[in-house]
Amino acid sequence: EAGVVQSPRYKIIEKKQPVAFWCNPISGHNTLYWYRQNLGQGPELLIRYENEEAVDDSQLPKDRFSAERLKGVDSTLKIQPAELGDSAVYLCASSYYGTANSPLHFGNGTRLTVT
Amino acid sequence: QQPVQSPQAVILREGEDAVINCSSSKALYSVHWYRQKHGEAPVFLMILLKGGEQKGHDKISASFNEKKQQSSLYLTASQLSYSGTYFCGTDTGTASKLTFGTGTRLQVTL
Repeated sequence: EAGVVQSPRYKIIEKKQPVAFWCNPISGHNTLYWYRQNLGQGPELLIRYENEEAVDDSQLPKDRFSAERLKGVDSTLKIQPAELGDSAVYLCASSYYGTANSPLHFGNGTRLTVT
Repeated sequence: QQPVQSPQAVILREGEDAVINCSSSKALYSVHWYRQKHGEAPVFLMILLKGGEQKGHDKISASFNEKKQQSSLYLTASQLSYSGTYFCGTDTGTASKLTFGTGTRLQVTL
């Protein structure tokens, strides 16, 4: 089966500019996650979708971050405006259902550099 | 709250064994283990559910002690391909939210 696909792989932008990341999960996976991973640290959850519904966005900085998962398939994460501290790897993951007993499959991520 | 992993880093010679620990301050429903190589995505290794079971495949196994809120990952007869950063992910069962640990960097040398 095809894995989780993310694009772009790398993105360099100046602060205050907008940026968007795209994710296509594994076919049939209802749950989609966006994680942010800072250098040398574990992934931190930003938002989790069950189909098209955002069921956990408590860690999403809503003043500048937004996400959508139209039709319950692919998803877009947007930052506007970007800040220097947003530099990180943004990982998308998907699973069949809730995390308790369902493995997460990660994409290769988008490495964002804000200058 | 983020689970704590120990050690932070370990260097092994090929063929040696290692244990990586993951401790949580909260009661756990499940523990996931992932390995991430530099510049790549985390890759799923195994899940352990509440019940203290032990799992394994090939020469990598794990245990889950729900009373102590701890999990351990055991790597036996390590291979060069085992090098990478290992993360545990814990789920308290209240919101199906996986919280990743601080990571353990493992390097296997010849």
